Amino acid sequence: KAGVTQTPRYLIKTRGQQVTLSCSPISGHRSVSWYQQTPGQGLQFLFEYFSETQRNKGNFPGRFSGRQFSNSRSEMNVSTLELGDSALYLCASSLEGRYGYTFGSGTRLTVV
Amino acid sequence: SQQGEEDPQALSIQEGENATMNCSYKTSINNLQWYRQNSGRGLVHLILIRSNEREKHSGRLRVTLDTSKKSSSLLITASRAADTASYFCATDLDGGFKTIFGAGTRLFVKA
Repeated sequence: KAGVTQTPRYLIKTRGQQVTLSCSPISGHRSVSWYQQTPGQGLQFLFEYFSETQRNKGNFPGRFSGRQFSNSRSEMNVSTLELGDSALYLCASSLEGRYGYTFGSGTRLTVV
Repeated sequence: SQQGEEDPQALSIQEGENATMNCSYKTSINNLQWYRQNSGRGLVHLILIRSNEREKHSGRLRVTLDTSKKSSSLLITASRAADTASYFCATDLDGGFKTIFGAGTRLFVKA
């Protein structure tokens, strides 16, 4: 079966712009979680969605938002980009959201 | 702040040796998972151990869990160069739906 697909793989944006990242989970997985990974902070939890509802979120500013569609595909949006938003953004899907995540290869975002 | 903290931060061993990584966490958990990440890629789920289990095996992997000490260890036996990666422990918070990862242990296996 197909894995978790994240698009795009690489992205370069300018400070102040906004960006939308996409994640297609494994077929049948209804939970999608998003993480930001940086060398200094490691893997930081952004939010988790299940059946189009956000069930939990991390400690990120309101510039970071997400949503999930009825087909379980998810998007995350970052508005007013800052240099510190440069990171690898990882999406993970699972059946219910408690364990056994399958990760995508990530989107490498560079803000200049 | 991180829920899980791995120790050591980095580990370098020869092929064929065993590698042991430790993870400590702060709050009660339902389960603890270990993941592997090859450089710049997504994470791969290795093994899950539930809070009522003490030890679990999967191939060359052995995981232990001590809930009284809030710690877990991952043992990789007979390491191979292909095991070179970062290893993370992960725990669920708030009854689930929020899995928190530790800072990771970088393992380098020399051929």
